[in-house]
Amino acid sequence: DAGVIQSPRHEVTEMGQEVTLRCKPISGHNSLFWYRQTMMRGLELLIYFNNNVPIDDSGMPEDRFSAKMPNASFSTLKIQPSEPRDSAVYFCASSQLAGGFYEQYFGPGTRLTVT
Amino acid sequence: QKEVEQNSGPLSVPEGAIASLNCTYSDRGSQSFFWYRQYSGKSPELIMSIYSNGDKEDGRFTAQLNKASQYVSLLIRDSQPSDSATYLCAVTVAGANNLFFGTGTRLTVIP
Repeated sequence: DAGVIQSPRHEVTEMGQEVTLRCKPISGHNSLFWYRQTMMRGLELLIYFNNNVPIDDSGMPEDRFSAKMPNASFSTLKIQPSEPRDSAVYFCASSQLAGGFYEQYFGPGTRLTVT
Repeated sequence: QKEVEQNSGPLSVPEGAIASLNCTYSDRGSQSFFWYRQYSGKSPELIMSIYSNGDKEDGRFTAQLNKASQYVSLLIRDSQPSDSATYLCAVTVAGANNLFFGTGTRLTVIP
């Protein structure tokens, strides 16, 4: 089975540009999570969706960040405008809601560098 | 107070020894507990999940849960150099399905 798919794997952009990260969850999973990881702050939850509905976006740093999940198989995280401090690895993870076990599986991540 | 606390390490053990990783959590309502392994430059990989008090064994890995004391641990028997990685503890809190992660413990297995 295919795991969580993220694209692009690497993104280098200049400050002020718009960045869009994409995620395809594991088929049949109905919860999707966006994380950011840096050396200084570790792994931070940005936002998560259950059944395509945003549940908690309190981790989104500021209004420059937005996320959507238009259907069960696709989500985007957008940063506009990007800043050098947004440089990090962004992970998407998915899990099932049923059963109450909540095991999350991570994608390979997108390494974002903003110059 | 953080939801999940881990000793950041680094923890060094010789090859063949038992590595013991510990984690404490603050929410008594937590129901699900996980250990993830993360190699440098890679994404976190789920290696163990545990939901009830006691021990759960999977190969060389044993997860131990004590809800009364609010701690969960991971034992790695016969440690191998390939076990060298950062180990992240994660828990759910009551009423939600998102995970709270600790900051991770870096393990080095010395050949």
